[in-house]
Amino acid sequence: KAGVTQTPRYLIKTRGQQVTLSCSPISGHRSVSWYQQTPGQGLQFLFEYFSETQRNKGNFPGRFSGRQFSNSRSEMNVSTLELGDSALYLCASSVGQANFYGYTFGSGTRLTVV
Amino acid sequence: TQLLEQSPQFLSIQEGENLTVYCNSSSVFSSLQWYRQEPGEGPVLLVTVVTGGEVKKLKRLTFQFGDARKDSSLHITAAQPGDTGLYLCAGAGSGGSNYKLTFGKGTLLTVNP
Repeated sequence: KAGVTQTPRYLIKTRGQQVTLSCSPISGHRSVSWYQQTPGQGLQFLFEYFSETQRNKGNFPGRFSGRQFSNSRSEMNVSTLELGDSALYLCASSVGQANFYGYTFGSGTRLTVV
Repeated sequence: TQLLEQSPQFLSIQEGENLTVYCNSSSVFSSLQWYRQEPGEGPVLLVTVVTGGEVKKLKRLTFQFGDARKDSSLHITAAQPGDTGLYLCAGAGSGGSNYKLTFGKGTLLTVNP
């Protein structure tokens, strides 16, 4: 059974550019969540999608956006990149409510902004 | 805002020792989960505890959910180098918050051979 696939694994971008990250959840998982992980702040919730609808959003600026497609694949976009956006971006899928079923995480996309 | 405090932040022990890491909050959670993350990978779910006072065992790992559902502990018996990693606790609220987890910053465990 394929796990959660995130692409690309590594990305280097320049300040001011924009970036799109992709996530393919486990087959049958309709909930996809995104987290930002940094050494100082740990894992911080970005947003969660279910059946193409955003159900929850974290406290990030509007430069961070996402979407989910009809096949449950999800993308997140960060516009006007800042140095502080350098982080590991993790995608997680769940077969149902995360509080009961938990997440299956991908390996992440390591974004470096220079 | 629900916050989870994990302690200790870092732990370095010798193979064969026992250890306990803690996860505390002032908020009540509908459930609490523990994950382990290895370098270069995403976190992997170890256990979910739902009922106050619940104890779950996973081989040498014992997880406990506090009676008031505000805290949890993870105890490892006879630690092995393969237990090395970042241990994260994550809590979920209720209602619409069931769909997102709040994570602690983690305990980085190193088990030396």
